[in-house]
Amino acid sequence: GIQVEQSPPDLILQEGANSTLRCNFSDSVNNLQWFHQNPWGQLINLFYIPSGTKQNGRLSATTVATERYSLLYISSSQTTDSGVYFCAVKTGFGNEKLTFGTGTRLTIIP
Amino acid sequence: DTAVSQTPKYLVTQMGNDKSIKCEQNLGHDTMYWYKQDSKKFLKIMFSYNNKELIINETVPNRFSPKSPDKAHLNLHINSLELGDSAVYFCASSPAGTAKNTIYFGEGSWLTVV
Repeated sequence: GIQVEQSPPDLILQEGANSTLRCNFSDSVNNLQWFHQNPWGQLINLFYIPSGTKQNGRLSATTVATERYSLLYISSSQTTDSGVYFCAVKTGFGNEKLTFGTGTRLTIIP
Repeated sequence: DTAVSQTPKYLVTQMGNDKSIKCEQNLGHDTMYWYKQDSKKFLKIMFSYNNKELIINETVPNRFSPKSPDKAHLNLHINSLELGDSAVYFCASSPAGTAKNTIYFGEGSWLTVV
């Protein structure tokens, strides 16, 4: 099956810093999503981005499908950004499973 | 209104017991899922149902049996619980039909087997 690797596995930053999280995948995808799992365990959908670039406030994401990677940018980090960030992909059409990446644990220090 | 709701949120039980986790979604989605998150935070799909029919079963032990009475509900029953079943179980739902769909997760059910 498809392999989804994220880097870095852990990231500790001061409040206000910017960060880039990376997601590499081993096969062509037609669905890519970024999720934030907050410290209480909630999984929140951030972006649906199989290709191109999207922005939502301080967060933006870019997927280069032909090169099989996606990037999540967080600017002016806040402590509420702490948690684990996952990318997840689908390779088929219809109801095929969403395969999650290994995750990046982000800790923002005040 | 909670879009995908799971109960119970926390469950501590002894080895060998049978337990169920319930899930309901009010988003009108056709597809529902169960995911398992282990202690290393790795999220892996267990089951997927589309309109009450099983479409994905990811080599999960037979002790795990999903049941979908209607497309808004997908319950997970676990027989003869083992220590290794301790994990967070997430229910999720999405619209069906195309790959262009986002998935919405419940808040998770923390299962601890002692």
